[in-house]
Amino acid sequence: RKEVEQDPGPFNVPEGATVAFNCTYSNSASQSFFWYRQDCRKEPKLLMSVYSSGNEDGRFTAQLNRASQYISLLIRDSKLSDSATYLCVVYLISNFGNEKLTFGTGTRLTIIP
Amino acid sequence: SAVISQKPSRDICQRGTSLTIQCQVDSQVTMMFWYRQQPGQSLTLIATANQGSEATYESGFVIDKFPISRPNLTFSTLTVSNMSPEDSSIYLCSVQLRGSNYNEQFFGPGTRLTVL
Repeated sequence: RKEVEQDPGPFNVPEGATVAFNCTYSNSASQSFFWYRQDCRKEPKLLMSVYSSGNEDGRFTAQLNRASQYISLLIRDSKLSDSATYLCVVYLISNFGNEKLTFGTGTRLTIIP
Repeated sequence: SAVISQKPSRDICQRGTSLTIQCQVDSQVTMMFWYRQQPGQSLTLIATANQGSEATYESGFVIDKFPISRPNLTFSTLTVSNMSPEDSSIYLCSVQLRGSNYNEQFFGPGTRLTVL
């Protein structure tokens, strides 16, 4: 089983629609969770951290379910500029003390005019 | 966040040669990381480079192939040694800022390497 799993998509969504992505992680000891956004041929950029209580940043809402080990991202009123690959990322300190971000393979989103 | 630059931005190299990639940050950071992103895939951590200690390598990556230097708190290099076409990839450095909450990392623009 992959450490972080995402539906690769692609998700093709009309402008103005709401879209949701889910991500599951395998290690219950994971400590922090993030959504990154990666545009084509660019580096990943932090979109938002995911807090235990859930958090919202404008049109974006992130949720964490530790019991079921999944993370979600909801994008409301989608814009053309939201077209990108969204990476689910999990942070863990291993038994050897190594700190590590583990990336999902990403979900590709295309917003259609 | 931090301003992170990488050199070179891209290179085309012959097999058997080595390339050193530089990563410069505009503020002092304790933790720097090197990742690889192969075509169509997500990021894989190569190693963690902390100033004043040896780099810690992930499974599948070894120091002889990917030597790393971390001479100070704003700079690191990654060398890809004895390159083969399988090393063609994007190499990214990232930093974790001091005092940042929730272990957020920020990425440089990447170095696109093609090995012929």
